Parts: sequence; structure tokens; C-alpha cells
Amino acid sequence: DIQMTQSPSSLSASVGDRVTITCRASRSISSWLAWYQQKPGKAPKLLIYEASTLESGVPSRFSGSGSGTEFTLTISSLQPDDFATYYCQQYDTYWTFGQGTKVEVK
Amino acid sequence: EAQLLESGGGLVQPGGSLRLSCEASGFSFSRFSMNWVRQAPGKGLEWVAYILGSGSTKYYADSVKGRFFISRDNAKNVVTLQSNSLRVEDTAVYYCARNYDSSGFKAFDIWGQGTVVTVSS
Repeated sequence: DIQMTQSPSSLSASVGDRVTITCRASRSISSWLAWYQQKPGKAPKLLIYEASTLESGVPSRFSGSGSGTEFTLTISSLQPDDFATYYCQQYDTYWTFGQGTKVEVK
Repeated sequence: EAQLLESGGGLVQPGGSLRLSCEASGFSFSRFSMNWVRQAPGKGLEWVAYILGSGSTKYYADSVKGRFFISRDNAKNVVTLQSNSLRVEDTAVYYCARNYDSSGFKAFDIWGQGTVVTVSS
């Protein structure tokens, strides 16, 4: 099984901050990685797939990078709507999610 | 607009069964693979099951293999998760989610709002 490890588990940030979340895979997954945003009581929302492709309608302040085993999600300038929990997901072999990163107000 | 709507959740005793349904609308249902994903209270996301658009291929997470069964009716635009021998640890919100492409391992681009399953005596 492929394990996904996100860091940090939580972070505190202010509006306008640049935020970076890291996701590591237990073995190479090429670029088969997605990022999701989830708000309390809501379903996850796809932000990025194939490591760096922005889903239609997602603001350009979100970006993804990486390949192999190490990936990052960057929010270039944090907005009030971005406070949420973010999950990475590998889909190289079946599907596995990271444990999540909660982005909180500083 | 593509939408998914789950139903069938509820309270069930350990060892019991539930049948969850997900009705799709706004897209050509039979062209897309579908999944069930769950989220235990206060926990992260766990993929549960997958079914190909034709229904000919199915995959399950080890945690549910042999107890849960996924199926679909393309004439009715419905995907179903039959959950048997339920355990307390199956308590979760269950989401239906669409693969963004027709087959294989892909990300999930459309999600339902979820249905709550509580397993408790």
C-alpha cells in the first residue's frame, strides 16, 4: 500500500500570507497526485490534479508542484475563504489520502 | 451541472446492514467510474470502493473487502454500496465521488454531500 504523509498537520496564518503544504508518498507515484480542500460539514473540493493541473474554476493563487515522492501545495496569498483543511491524494495505485492539514486563522 | 445525491444512511446495530445509494444527474453517468469515500468523525478521508462505468471492474479497500459491495444501474443513474456485517469503526460520513475520467485511477472531481452512517448498539 502507498502511504501519504502531509506536513504540517496544522498551521496558523494570516490573510495575505504565502502558505505551503507538503505531501510525501511512501514510493514514487509519478505525478498521480491531487489536492482537495474541505470545509467543516462539506464535501471535499478538487483543487489540483496530476500534481500541478488546476481544476476549472479554482483561483490561480493555488498551485501544485512535485513528482515522484514529494509534492507541495502553495497558496500564494491566503484569502478568508481559504481557511479549511487540505488533503493530498495519490491515485497511482488505488487511492490513498494524506491525513490532512488544517489552515487556521493566526 | 453535474450533481451527486447520496441517501440511505442511518443508525444500525453492529452486525447489521445498510444500503447506500447515490443518484447522479447532469452528466453521462455510464461514461464515468464512481467511488465511495468515507470520513469517520473528526478524521481524514478513506477511499472505500470503486466501480468502472460498465460495472465490470470493482475494487475495495482492505478494511471493507468481503463486507461491502458496490454496484450500479446505468439506466437509473444510481451507484449503490451494500454494507454488511457493520462494525462500530464503519461509523462515518459516506461520500459518493466521480472519477474525472472514464476509467483507471483518477482524481475525484464531483462529490455528493454525504450520508451519515452510525453503527452503535
